[in-house]
This record gives sequence, C-alpha cells and structure tokens, in this order.
Amino acid sequence: NAGVTQTPKFRILKIGQSMTLQCTQDMNHNYMYWYRQDPGMGLKLIYYSVGAGITDKGEVPNGYNVSRSTTEDFPLRLELAAPSQTSVYFCASSSSGAQQGLDGNQPQHFGDGTRLSIL
Amino acid sequence: EDKVVQSPLSLVVHEGDTVTLNCSYEVTNFRSLLWYKQEKKAPTFLFMLTSSGIEKKSGRLSSILDKKELFSILNITATQTGDSAVYLCAVFDYGQNFVFGPGTRLSVLP
Repeated sequence: NAGVTQTPKFRILKIGQSMTLQCTQDMNHNYMYWYRQDPGMGLKLIYYSVGAGITDKGEVPNGYNVSRSTTEDFPLRLELAAPSQTSVYFCASSSSGAQQGLDGNQPQHFGDGTRLSIL
Repeated sequence: EDKVVQSPLSLVVHEGDTVTLNCSYEVTNFRSLLWYKQEKKAPTFLFMLTSSGIEKKSGRLSSILDKKELFSILNITATQTGDSAVYLCAVFDYGQNFVFGPGTRLSVLP
C-alpha cells in the first residue's frame, strides 16, 4: 500500500525561485493537509482541503498556494522562495469517518516529508 | 486562537522507567485529541480520544482524556530504547482543523 506519497524528498532552492511539492494519496481520503515543521517545533498547518475543488487556509498560509483538482492529489506551490520557508514539509490525508460508517474525522496518515532548503 | 501545550518539552529516562507525557489544550469546538509518535520521518498514529475517562491501551502505551480539565496524558511503562522519539499531541476541531503541540522529545537510555 502506497498511502501518502510526497515528492521530492529533498530540494535546494535559490531565493526567488518557485517550485511545487507534490502529494498524492491512494486511500480515497477526502481530507488532505499540508504542514511545515521547523527544527525542534511541532507541525504548523499551511493549507487543507476537505474535498476536490475545496481548499482553505491554515495557520501559516502566506507564501504558499494549493489546488485540489482531484481527490488523490494536493500539490503545494511556493511562488517566490524565501529563506524563512526552509523547513520540512509534510502532507497528510484522512477520511471523514462517514466513508467507513464511523463518527468523526479519522487519524491522519502522513507522507515521509520533503526537506526544503532555501539559500 | 486554538492552542495545544505539551510538557515536558524533553525528557531523558533509563530503560525500564515509566513516563507520563502531558498535553493541555484550549480549543473552540473540540472534537478529538490524537497522539502521534515521530521518529526520523513522518508521525505515526498512536491514539485518538474523544470521550473523557476512557483509557486507550496499546501494549505498554496508554492514554486518557479529561474534557473537563482540558488535558490528556500519555503513559509509557517499562520504557525501551525504541520508545525514543518525539511524541506529538494534536487536537481536532469541528472546523476540520488539526492543531499540533510542540511535542515532547523522549530519550530512553540503555
């Protein structure tokens, strides 16, 4: 089972460059999330999506954009990379519970992360 | 603003010790509290708690939620070096938002 797959695993960018972090899941989960984790810190929510065509801002959305054209894919775009965006980025997905006849959102499944350095 | 606080932030113990990790929260429209273990890469799910006073157990790990006092604890008995990790507490609200605490870094020495 692939679960949540993130690419690339590592990337170095120059200031001002742009890139897209890819995330795909094969569990038919309707909820997907992007987090960043700075050294020694917890996870901070960047954007999330409750289904195809629906996205919403999290705690730290500035400098990022997302789209959700399909249930499986939830790419994260950095338009003008800045040193403050150096971090490890995690994508996660979860089901609403209703898909399995359960009450409430189910635990998130995480990808292995993308380590991004902006120099 | 939703907030999750964990304590201690780091902890060093010896194999065989029992540890208790704490998580307190201030969240509007609380729905559930989750514990994750993070080693080198992605967090892995441990427990999800939605009701007060009902202990969840998995091997040497157990957790309980107190919705009146707004906290949860994660207990690990007879710790092993493989328990060394960052333990994350997260709270899920009805706004589909997961809020994570900073984590507790546990180091278990042989």
